[in-house]
Amino acid sequence: DTGVSQNPRHKITKRGQNVTFRCDPISEHNRLYWYRQTLGQGPEFLTYFQNEAQLEKSRLLSDRFSAERPKGSFSTLEIQRTEQGDSAMYLCASSSGTERNTEAFFGQGTRLTVV
Amino acid sequence: AQSVSQHNHHVILSEAASLELGCNYSYGGTVNLFWYVQYPGQHLQLLLKYFSGDPLVKGIKGFEAEFIKSKFSFNLRKPSVQWSDTAEYFCAVNAQGAGNKLTFGGGTRVLVKP
Repeated sequence: DTGVSQNPRHKITKRGQNVTFRCDPISEHNRLYWYRQTLGQGPEFLTYFQNEAQLEKSRLLSDRFSAERPKGSFSTLEIQRTEQGDSAMYLCASSSGTERNTEAFFGQGTRLTVV
Repeated sequence: AQSVSQHNHHVILSEAASLELGCNYSYGGTVNLFWYVQYPGQHLQLLLKYFSGDPLVKGIKGFEAEFIKSKFSFNLRKPSVQWSDTAEYFCAVNAQGAGNKLTFGGGTRVLVKP
């Protein structure tokens, strides 16, 4: 499967712990996005990278959240000192930046439950 | 900032019925428009997209959508649904030149009864 891959698929953690998620985009895509989706809502944009540069961050991304894409390939999203409100599905998407108008391809997400 | 509104949260219909899901967006500039579908247990998949040209867009699985610029709308339609169309449908927009960042609506859960 050459689609967007996310690991782990599920994560249960205790409040106050740190968690890290990984996203492997489609190999030729230079743009990578993180979204968060809570129950009954559509995905909300968190941040995006073009190659290794983080170009935009949403106000939803508090200081406890950090994302990296060190070599312009895979990306990690870390949440420090998790809170129950962080429980959500975290989605990664990638797209090609070589065309003016391109579509984003989504991974299956990492479901985080903070207990 | 962009916003997207989907009118119905839940739709229940029988097989062979016609489906129309409403989507309105709020943004003053030029946008690209998308409908994504999420089947149970699966990832978001693109149904169709509008970038420019003919405002009536045909997508996969018999779906189509019409962009009406004056109404800021991009409604999704299918003349005859099947049980396999049971899914959640999301309308999304992105401002052209904004790096493909998507703003999604809240989604519509569609249940097709056999």
